[in-house]
Amino acid sequence: KAGVTQTPRYLIKTRGQQVTLSCSPISGHRSVSWYQQTPGQGLQFLFEYFSETQRNKGNFPGRFSGRQFSNSRSEMNVSTLELGDSALYLCASSPRTLTYEQYFGPGTRLTVT
Amino acid sequence: GIQVEQSPPDLILQEGANSTLRCNFSDSVNNLQWFHQNPWGQLINLFYIPSGTKQNGRLSATTVATERYSLLYISSSQTTDSGVYFCAVERRSGGGADGLTFGKGTHLIIQP
Repeated sequence: KAGVTQTPRYLIKTRGQQVTLSCSPISGHRSVSWYQQTPGQGLQFLFEYFSETQRNKGNFPGRFSGRQFSNSRSEMNVSTLELGDSALYLCASSPRTLTYEQYFGPGTRLTVT
Repeated sequence: GIQVEQSPPDLILQEGANSTLRCNFSDSVNNLQWFHQNPWGQLINLFYIPSGTKQNGRLSATTVATERYSLLYISSSQTTDSGVYFCAVERRSGGGADGLTFGKGTHLIIQP
């Protein structure tokens, strides 16, 4: 089976812009979760989608949003980018909900200038 | 929320040495995973081990859920084992799961 894929792999944006990141889960997986990794805060949970519904959300401002499509692919959107949003964004998929083993994609490295 | 502490934060070893990485967590968990982050940032699954013992080649892991800790053993280290090792846990509460909570990682350097 193909692994989790994320696009784009690298992205440079300017403060104030918005960005959309994409994640395609492993075939048959219905849960997609998003995480942010920064040197200062480490790896932090953003949100989880299951069957097109957001089931869980971490402690991030409303500028961070997401959605999941009927084929389980997910997108994450960050509006009004700030310098502190520069990070590695990782997507994980799981057959069912978070309690099951999570498989991570290669990540999207976002730089905000 | 749940707290995850990993030790040691840094570890430098010679090729061929054995090592033990520890993960302590502050509450009961439904999911515990060990990952190795490669130089490009991808998290590679090592073990899904909310309890018990598992082995995969030179790596093995043990989770003692009642005492809230997990150990990752690496035997006969190779330079390719270098990188950051993360422990991550998930606790299911009344309102649903909280997402994986990661420790700060152990940065392992294997010298030839």
